[in-house]
Amino acid sequence: AQTVTQSQPEMSVQEAETVTLSCTYDTSESNYYLFWYKQPPSRQMILVIRQEAYKQQNATENRFSVNFQKAAKSFSLKISDSQLGDTAMYFCAFMNPQGAQKLVFGQGTRLTINP
Amino acid sequence: GAVVSQHPSWVICKSGTSVKIECRSLDFQATTMFWYRQFPKQSLMLMATSNEGSKATYEQGVEKDKFLINHASLTLSTLTVTSAHPEDSSFYICSASGDRAFSGNTIYFGEGSWLTVV
Repeated sequence: AQTVTQSQPEMSVQEAETVTLSCTYDTSESNYYLFWYKQPPSRQMILVIRQEAYKQQNATENRFSVNFQKAAKSFSLKISDSQLGDTAMYFCAFMNPQGAQKLVFGQGTRLTINP
Repeated sequence: GAVVSQHPSWVICKSGTSVKIECRSLDFQATTMFWYRQFPKQSLMLMATSNEGSKATYEQGVEKDKFLINHASLTLSTLTVTSAHPEDSSFYICSASGDRAFSGNTIYFGEGSWLTVV
């Protein structure tokens, strides 16, 4: 079974700083997807970024980028020029696309951006 | 983008009664829907996976007679909490995936439903 581990329960940075959230996972699959989801106080799950394991290039979405290290099974999220609206819970998630498309979530990291 | 809607957003029910939560895909056909439960300050816990027209597949430890899931159409799945007790109070979230050619393995989440059993 796949597992996803986020070792940072909470993080806090100043506005405009760069912050990196860590995520490691365990799987025996070679083809899979990795995601970062944001859950603000509204509780709505918002997709931040996704990475396909067969792609070597790290995904980037505006201020959000990932460092995908397949051999190390590591998938960290970097938020550049952080904004107050980035304050939220962030969840790393794994999906095996060959199966039922179930998402396996990490424990989450509570990120606070301070003014 | 694709939209998944949950209803109701908030519900309070008396202990011993049943309550139904709906999850609808508004602009695509959801071949698979997922139901999660989230306790305060914790991650999402998958309860079950449902495919249209077939029985739901429950995760280990989830009582299938307690949490009834029906996926009668390609746009609607329902979660019924039967004989609810205060310990069933939680935040429930659904998600949906469509045809892989449409969604490309993208999962769309509903807004979630707060259940309080008194």
